[in-house]
Order: sequence, then C-alpha cells, then structure tokens
Amino acid sequence: GQQLNQSPQSMFIQEGEDVSMNCTSSSIFNTWLWYKQDPGEGPVLLIALYKAGELTSNGRLTAQFGITRKDSFLNISASIPSDVGIYFCAGRTGNTGKLIFGQGTTLQVKP
Amino acid sequence: DTGVSQDPRHKITKRGQNVTFRCDPISEHNRLYWYRQTLGQGPEFLTYFQNEAQLEKSRLLSDRFSAERPKGSFSTLEIQRTEQGDSAMYLCASSLPQGVGDGYTFGSGTRLTVV
Repeated sequence: GQQLNQSPQSMFIQEGEDVSMNCTSSSIFNTWLWYKQDPGEGPVLLIALYKAGELTSNGRLTAQFGITRKDSFLNISASIPSDVGIYFCAGRTGNTGKLIFGQGTTLQVKP
Repeated sequence: DTGVSQDPRHKITKRGQNVTFRCDPISEHNRLYWYRQTLGQGPEFLTYFQNEAQLEKSRLLSDRFSAERPKGSFSTLEIQRTEQGDSAMYLCASSLPQGVGDGYTFGSGTRLTVV
C-alpha cells in the first residue's frame, strides 16, 4: 500500500533555530498537507499544497510540493516554545479525500 | 462550536465488550471520515461516507468494526468484542466533496483503552 516516509523522527532544538523536516513517497500525490498535533487532540492543518513545485508560507512556516510529486518539505523558522508538538505530512491521491499520513516528527524546543 | 465533535473523549472498556463512538461533523460537510491512530504513528484511514453512503473501507476495518451514517449527518463507529490491539485514538474528520486542506477538519478524537 501507499506509505509516506517522514524524517527526522524527532528533533530537539534551541529556541530561535530553524527546523526542516520532509516526507517522501514511492507514489505520486496530487495534494500534500502538513498538520500539527498536540497531545490528546486531533491534527490541525498548517499548510496545504496543490501543485507540483508550489511553495507556500504561513507565517514562520514554509512548505513545498516536490516537482516529482513524491515528496514535500516543511521549514519552521525562528522556532518558539509553542512550536512543540508532532508534525505530520499527509498526501492525497484521487478525489476521495482519503489521506495517507507519515509517521510524524516530534519537535521539542528548548527555551 | 462549529467544529467536528466526537463523543466520548475517553473510553476504557474490558476486553470482549462492545463500544460505540459518535462523530458529529461540521453541518454543511457531506463527507465524513474515520481514522485510527496508535501511539507514535500517524492516523490510518478506516472508512469514509459521502452523505449516508459508505464509499470506501480500509482492510484495517475488520468484521468486528462497523460504521454507519444513517441520515447523512452524524456517524457512529462500533467495535464488537474489543481486543487489546484496538486500543488507539479514533479520529473523525469531515469535508465538502472536494475538500482537502482548509476544508478538511478533524475532531479531537476518542481515546479507547481496552484492558
């Protein structure tokens, strides 16, 4: 079945540092999404990407839809303590709305 | 509150018991999705509805699992004869037919613990 490989699995950084994480797949996706999940809550959308090559920003977050449509990355600039959480990439094929999720990147920020 | 609502938030049950979870989607959303998330993993798709029709089911949805959306509004997910391996967070999401991204909203989930 379709799988997304997300890396790194975890990161422990100093406040103010930039962060980069990525997702790769053996399958082509027509949509890439990045979510953040806090403990005990559902995922919350950060950025949605709909076209190959698309680069989109949301405040300190920037994400890109890879040209091959098989990968995506998320950058967080100037991290702050509230960035702590688990970040998931998700991809979609077709138009059903079914999403395939990566395994997540756990981010910890040291003040 | 106009978000996706799930009930209960937490459920502890003994192995072998049946449990039922409820999801109330955003009112104008006609697609509803169920996902399961175990510790340290991303959500895994279980099934989805468009209105009252169940259009796709994952192989993860064994015979002990059944989902319904009888009137195209709220949905229920029932697990019969629960097993310890069913312990997970069960997430519901809803969307418009073409909705992903901003149009795709998750609830806070139901955490199931089977003891």
